Amino acid sequence: AQTVTQSQPEMSVQEAETVTLSCTYDTSESDYYLFWYKQPPSRQMILVIRQEAYKQQNATENRFSVNFQKAAKSFSLKISDSQLGDAAMYFCAQSEGAQKLVFGQGTRLTINP
Amino acid sequence: NAGVTQTPKFQVLKTGQSMTLQCAQDMNHNSMYWYRQDPGMGLRLIYYSASEGTTDKGEVPNGYNVSRLNKREFSLRLESAAPSQTSVYFCASTIYRTSPLNIQYFGAGTRLSVL
Repeated sequence: AQTVTQSQPEMSVQEAETVTLSCTYDTSESDYYLFWYKQPPSRQMILVIRQEAYKQQNATENRFSVNFQKAAKSFSLKISDSQLGDAAMYFCAQSEGAQKLVFGQGTRLTINP
Repeated sequence: NAGVTQTPKFQVLKTGQSMTLQCAQDMNHNSMYWYRQDPGMGLRLIYYSASEGTTDKGEVPNGYNVSRLNKREFSLRLESAAPSQTSVYFCASTIYRTSPLNIQYFGAGTRLSVL
């Protein structure tokens, strides 16, 4: 069965600094997909970034990038130049077939002005 | 463009009562999903419908039933609500054609309390 683990319940960073959120996962499949979702206080789930497991190149979306280590089953999210609007819960997720998402427990990110 | 619409936004039930959570999407997506989110946890899949006319169990299906009414609508029913079903419920949809990397779009959620 798929499992996704986020070992950091809470993280904080100074505005304009860089922060990295950790995620590990476990799967027996060779073909799968990884995602980071952001959930602000409004509860809306917003896709931040996605990665295909067969791609070696790490995905990047503006200030957000990932460090995908397939052998270690690790998928960390780096946020550069942190902004106050980045404050939210961040969830790592994995999908296999029919795009059924399995989520981690989440990391609450606080941005200090 | 409304995206994924869930009704109601809030609901309070007494133990044993029944209710149906409604979800509709206007993006012509073929796959739809119901998740629940408990405090301090990520979302967990209850049921999903890969295409119109099909439904399958997810990780936590007990106590729930679903209906894929048509391509747009996917409802979640609690036949006899229990306090353990107090949670925030999210509906999502995706087009899921050749690539499962298509984005899942989420509704705003329904906060349900069972007393």
